[in-house]
Amino acid sequence: AQSVTQLGSHVSVSEGALVLLRCNYSSSVPPYLFWYVQYPNQGLQLLLKYTSAATLVKGINGFEAEFKKSETSFHLTKPSAHMSDAAEYFCAVSENDYKLSFGAGTTVTVRA
Amino acid sequence: EAGVTQFPSHSVIEKGQTVTLRCDPISGHDNLYWYRRVMGKEIKFLLHFVKESKQDESGMPNNRFLAERTGGTYSTLKVQPAELEDSGVYFCASSLKTEQYFGPGTRLTVT
Repeated sequence: AQSVTQLGSHVSVSEGALVLLRCNYSSSVPPYLFWYVQYPNQGLQLLLKYTSAATLVKGINGFEAEFKKSETSFHLTKPSAHMSDAAEYFCAVSENDYKLSFGAGTTVTVRA
Repeated sequence: EAGVTQFPSHSVIEKGQTVTLRCDPISGHDNLYWYRRVMGKEIKFLLHFVKESKQDESGMPNNRFLAERTGGTYSTLKVQPAELEDSGVYFCASSLKTEQYFGPGTRLTVT
């Protein structure tokens, strides 16, 4: 069975500071892993996706995530936060590349 | 190219009533998915269509929920009769292959 745990429901960072969102997964097979972002009143937008091609995945808007099998983790980072990064972020796992299991989400606020 | 659209954006109904949610996928996307986020909880998978066929409906909570995709284009999700615990945001997504594109969701409030 597949599942995801996101550590921290809320993260507050200063503009220009590192953004680090934690995600741990459980999967009985090599997983597909995703990070999605939801801005207010919008749908979920794919930030990046891990499909076993490379352990460090680069996404849109300067975000990247590293797959660590030994830690069953897929943490999302961005070196320098921007005000426009304020949103809710979801980590998701899939064992078959169509049925997504999401974490509870992490809301990011960016302080000026 | 138009994205995934959902209608209505918000629906408020009384317990026991019927509500039908609609999703229009991106043109040409054979795969269509429904997900639901109940207040304060994770987004949960409901079901997956490939064209007009239900590929996986393991996430449908009970028989009060009926999803259809006649003709393999748009899809509807009917809740009949609605209960208080059905309140939440219902997301639709579509995909050509692996990347799922999500709509803005329908916020359903059952009072």
